[in-house]
Amino acid sequence: AQTVTQSQPEMSVQEAETVTLSCTYDTSENNYYLFWYKQPPSRQMILVIRQEAYKQQNATENRFSVNFQKAAKSFSLKISDSQLGDTAMYFCAFMSFGNEKLTFGTGTRLTIIP
Amino acid sequence: EPEVTQTPSHQVTQMGQEVILRCVPISNHLYFYWYRQILGQKVEFLVSFYNNEISEKSEIFDDQFSVERPDGSNFTLKIRSTKLEDSAMYFCASPRAEGTDTQYFGPGTRLTVL
Repeated sequence: AQTVTQSQPEMSVQEAETVTLSCTYDTSENNYYLFWYKQPPSRQMILVIRQEAYKQQNATENRFSVNFQKAAKSFSLKISDSQLGDTAMYFCAFMSFGNEKLTFGTGTRLTIIP
Repeated sequence: EPEVTQTPSHQVTQMGQEVILRCVPISNHLYFYWYRQILGQKVEFLVSFYNNEISEKSEIFDDQFSVERPDGSNFTLKIRSTKLEDSAMYFCASPRAEGTDTQYFGPGTRLTVL
């Protein structure tokens, strides 16, 4: 079974700074997808970014980018120019190719300080 | 704007009562997933549903749970006899288009069992 580990329960950073959230996973699969979801206080789950394991290029979405290290099974999220609206829980998630279910990590609570 | 909607947003029930949580896609999705998040914990997969059949379920999804598609546009999650430990947020999710892997979540139903 796949497992996803987020070793930082809480982080805080000053507004406009850059922050990196870590995620590691364990799998024997070669083809899979990785995701970061954001959960603000409203508790809505919002997709931030996705990465296909077969792509070497790191995914980027505006201020959000990932550092995907397949050999190390690491998938960190970098938030640049952090904004107050980035305050939320961030969950890393794994999905095997051909298997639809998402396996989530325990989350990192990120607080952006004005 | 969420891809799916869920009703009710908050449900309070007495232990032992039956509850039905509803999920309505904006477009006609064939794939559907239910997840659960106990307060302060990670999101956990419950069941996946494809073309009117369960395709996979977790060990959490015991005989107390059932899923249905009562009509062409609604998906339901039924808990027959609620327990205190069923108190959680329940999310449904769906891909934006058939054959894609990224799941978009509804806003969730907060279930409180007293």
